Amino acid sequence: QQPVQSPQAVILREGEDAVINCSSSKALYSVHWYRQKHGEAPVFLMILLKGGEQKGHDKISASFNEKKQQSSLYLTASQLSYSGTYFCGTDLLTGANNLFFGTGTRLTVIP
Amino acid sequence: EADIYQTPRYLVIGTGKKITLECSQTMGHDKMYWYQQDPGMELHLIHYSYGVNSTEKGDLSSESTVSRIRTEHFPLTLESARPSHTSQYLCASSETSGTFSQQYFGPGTRLTVT
Repeated sequence: QQPVQSPQAVILREGEDAVINCSSSKALYSVHWYRQKHGEAPVFLMILLKGGEQKGHDKISASFNEKKQQSSLYLTASQLSYSGTYFCGTDLLTGANNLFFGTGTRLTVIP
Repeated sequence: EADIYQTPRYLVIGTGKKITLECSQTMGHDKMYWYQQDPGMELHLIHYSYGVNSTEKGDLSSESTVSRIRTEHFPLTLESARPSHTSQYLCASSETSGTFSQQYFGPGTRLTVT
């Protein structure tokens, strides 16, 4: 029931864009995105609810395609502070907020 | 600002010892969670609680147990630690059990069983 994330790792230069994908084989209620820096706790970025809405957080935005059970995280004009591992967490149709986390995407931004 | 605390941050302990990992939050959140995370890997939910006197097992089987006697406190206990328990344990809380509620994570306890 764990979602699948791609790519597993990506290296960007400052100012470049990236897309991280999250796919589930199960019907989803919502998708959560978190970023975890090395040795630190995961930090919440945003929640996407079914309905395909797109949300934004500074230069980070995301979309949710409930028909395909997929979510994508878009990072534009990347900054050094964006480095970390990005996890999607999926809430199945129970809506209980018990998340299944993906394997993570390690993003490294270099000068 | 989220306030969720875990102690100890690091623990090295011998096989067979009993250990308790502490987790406290000052936000008055009803729902709390324990996750297990191996280095570089995904988080797995091992326990959760909807409130006082409520505890449930998560999707990953774990030999640990939890209790919820007070809203703010959600300790995790291993009766007899084994090397296979070596991992990072993350505690989290959310305001409600609803799907629109973000989870706030503590800094984690990195456990090594020798």
